[in-house]
Amino acid sequence: DADVTQTPRNRITKTGKRIMLECSQTKGHDRMYWYRQDPGLGLRLIYYSFDVKDINKGEISDGYSVSRQAQAKFSLSLESAIPNQTALYFCATAGTTDTQYFGPGTRLTVL
Amino acid sequence: QKEVEQNSGPLSVPEGAIASLNCTYSDRGSQSFFWYRQYSGKSPELIMFIYSNGDKEDGRFTAQLNKASQYVSLLIRDSQPSDSATYLCAVKLYNQGGKLIFGQGTELSVKP
Repeated sequence: DADVTQTPRNRITKTGKRIMLECSQTKGHDRMYWYRQDPGLGLRLIYYSFDVKDINKGEISDGYSVSRQAQAKFSLSLESAIPNQTALYFCATAGTTDTQYFGPGTRLTVL
Repeated sequence: QKEVEQNSGPLSVPEGAIASLNCTYSDRGSQSFFWYRQYSGKSPELIMFIYSNGDKEDGRFTAQLNKASQYVSLLIRDSQPSDSATYLCAVKLYNQGGKLIFGQGTELSVKP
C-alpha cells in the first residue's frame, strides 16, 4: 500500500461549489503539506502543518482552507471553487529530515 | 529574482550522453538541497539530496553543490530514454524550518 494517499484522484466540479481533497499517510510523519502545480509554475505551497495543533499558510493560501484531523490526515478545502483553481494538487509529508514524500496527486477541474 | 531558478528546457540529449541540470538559488544561507524527478502526470519522487559543498554520487546520478556561487546541479551519466522527465530542484531556505522552495523544473528528453 502507498505511504501517502490522496482522494479523490480526479475531480470535476462547478464554479462556486465547495470541495474537499483528502490526504492520509502511514509514514508516521508529523509534517504535512499541500501544493498545487500548474504548467510552467512548479510546485507552490498552499498550507503546511507541523503537527495537529500547528497550521501555517503558504505562499498561495487565499481561497483555500485546511484541517489536520489527526497526525495521519490533512484535508484541503476550496470554499467556493473558481476556474483558476484548476490544477494538479499534491499532498506531501516529511519526518525529522527535510525530505518530502509526495502522494499521487489530485487532478481538479473547475468549470 | 525568484528564490529558486531552473532553465525550463526542454533539454535534449542523446542516449548514453551526460545530462547536466542546473539550479540557482537566491538565499546564501540555504541549507539543504534536493533533486526530484517527475514523470508526466505523476508525483515528484526524490532522487537525492545534498547538504555539503562538493559532489555526491548515487549510481548514475551526481549532485554538485557550490554554496559560494549559489548553485546546485544534477548530472545524469549514461542517460537513458527512461530518464526523460521533469527534474525539480528544491531548496530549504535559511530559517524556514521544514519548508522547501521548488524551482519550476527542467524538462529532460533523452533521444534513443
